[in-house]
Amino acid sequence: GQQLNQSPQSMFIQEGEDVSMNCTSSSIFNTWLWYKQDPGEGPVLLIALYKAGELTSNGRLTAQFGITRKDSFLNISASIPSDVGIYFCAGQRFSGGYNKLIFGAGTRLAVHP
Amino acid sequence: NAGVTQTPKFQVLKTGQSMTLQCAQDMNHEYMSWYRQDPGMGLRLIHYSVGAGITDQGEVPNGYNVSRSTTEDFPLRLLSAAPSQTSVYFCASSWSGRADTQYFGPGTRLTVL
Repeated sequence: GQQLNQSPQSMFIQEGEDVSMNCTSSSIFNTWLWYKQDPGEGPVLLIALYKAGELTSNGRLTAQFGITRKDSFLNISASIPSDVGIYFCAGQRFSGGYNKLIFGAGTRLAVHP
Repeated sequence: NAGVTQTPKFQVLKTGQSMTLQCAQDMNHEYMSWYRQDPGMGLRLIHYSVGAGITDQGEVPNGYNVSRSTTEDFPLRLLSAAPSQTSVYFCASSWSGRADTQYFGPGTRLTVL
C-alpha cells in the first residue's frame, strides 16, 4: 500500500534546539495531520492542516501544508525533554465513504537534557 | 468517560489459533477503525465502520474479520493467526469520520509464534 516518505527517521538533539521533519507523497491529500506517539500509547493529534499553503502553530509546534498538496513539514522550537517520542505525519483522502489516513513511518525524537 | 479502550494490552498466540481483539468507546461515535503498526512503518488501516451494521475493508484486511453490532463496540477477529500478524493494533473512533476528530486507543501488542 501507499506510504508517505517521512524524514528523518530519527533525531537526537540537545534540549533547547529546534527540530524540523517533513513528509512527501506522490499523491495529493485534502488534509495533512501530525501526530505524536508516546511509548505504549496510541497516536495523539498535534496539528491538522486543511488548505494548501496553510501554516498553523500549536504552542512550540508549527506545521505547514505544502502548496502542491503533496508535502508537509513540522517544526518544534526550543525542544524540551517531554518532546521525546515518535512523530507521524498522515495524509487524509476521502475514499469509499470514509476519510482514510495514509501514515508516514515516523520520526523518532530523542532529546538530551 | 473512558474514551477508547482496548483489551487485552498484550497477547501471545500460536500459529493457527484464533482470538478477538476488543475495542469499545463511550463517546457515541459512529466511525470506528482498526489499524496495525509494524516496526519502521506507519499505521495501516485494516477495517473500518461508519456505523452499527456497516463495515468495510481498509488497506490490509486479509486475515481479519470485523463486525459492528453496537455503536460502542468494534471487535477485530483473527480466525487463524499467522506470524505475519505480529504487530501492535490500534482502534480509533470519531464522531465525524474526519481524522481531526479521531481518538486512538492505547493499543494491543500481539505476538504470533
